[in-house]
Amino acid sequence: DTGVSQNPRHKITKRGQNVTFRCDPISEHNRLYWYRQTLGQGPEFLTYFQNEAQLEKSRLLSDRFSAERPKGSFSTLEIQRTEQGDSAMYLCASTATGNQPQHFGDGTRLSIL
Amino acid sequence: AQSVTQPDIHITVSEGASLELRCNYSYGATPYLFWYVQSPGQGLQLLLKYFSGDTLVQGIKGFEAEFKRSQSSFNLRKPSVHWSDAAEYFCAVPNSGYALNFGKGTSLLVTP
Repeated sequence: DTGVSQNPRHKITKRGQNVTFRCDPISEHNRLYWYRQTLGQGPEFLTYFQNEAQLEKSRLLSDRFSAERPKGSFSTLEIQRTEQGDSAMYLCASTATGNQPQHFGDGTRLSIL
Repeated sequence: AQSVTQPDIHITVSEGASLELRCNYSYGATPYLFWYVQSPGQGLQLLLKYFSGDTLVQGIKGFEAEFKRSQSSFNLRKPSVHWSDAAEYFCAVPNSGYALNFGKGTSLLVTP
């Protein structure tokens, strides 16, 4: 069990650029979640996958955001045309079944210049 | 939707003193409940979970939490705080799809 891995740890980009984050879950976990955390707040749910199927998206996931999990293993979260308000920590979590505790990665911190 | 409230934004305790962090949940049936801890710049680590059964739950690092249905609470406790416990603490409850709804967190400062 190597834990949930997220890359990059930090990303600085200019407003309007596209960014992509990667999450590698714990290998036997078939559920994968993305959250966003802004300063001083708790994480907020964005979307989740069961295997390769994206089963739920929150209203926070605007059309500039897209997530994929093509083979049911790693996942990517892409933000197009980044805005200042996208600056946040993006957290990935995985779990084997729905009601088991989620294991979190260390996150990707996005800063928009 | 299921939600949790953490009334205390900041708490300061002296090292060696006892700690109680409050969490109130809003849900009709008995919920699943979790406490996570987050150190600066890091992800979240699970401290403990409540699913059903015993209302006093033991976790890692000497933490425990008690589920009280009558008060809709799931408060986190530790008898003696160490300086390394300084962190952000989050209470969470899953929604229907098991995505977690987190409270806003309580920031713990430990003084010498």
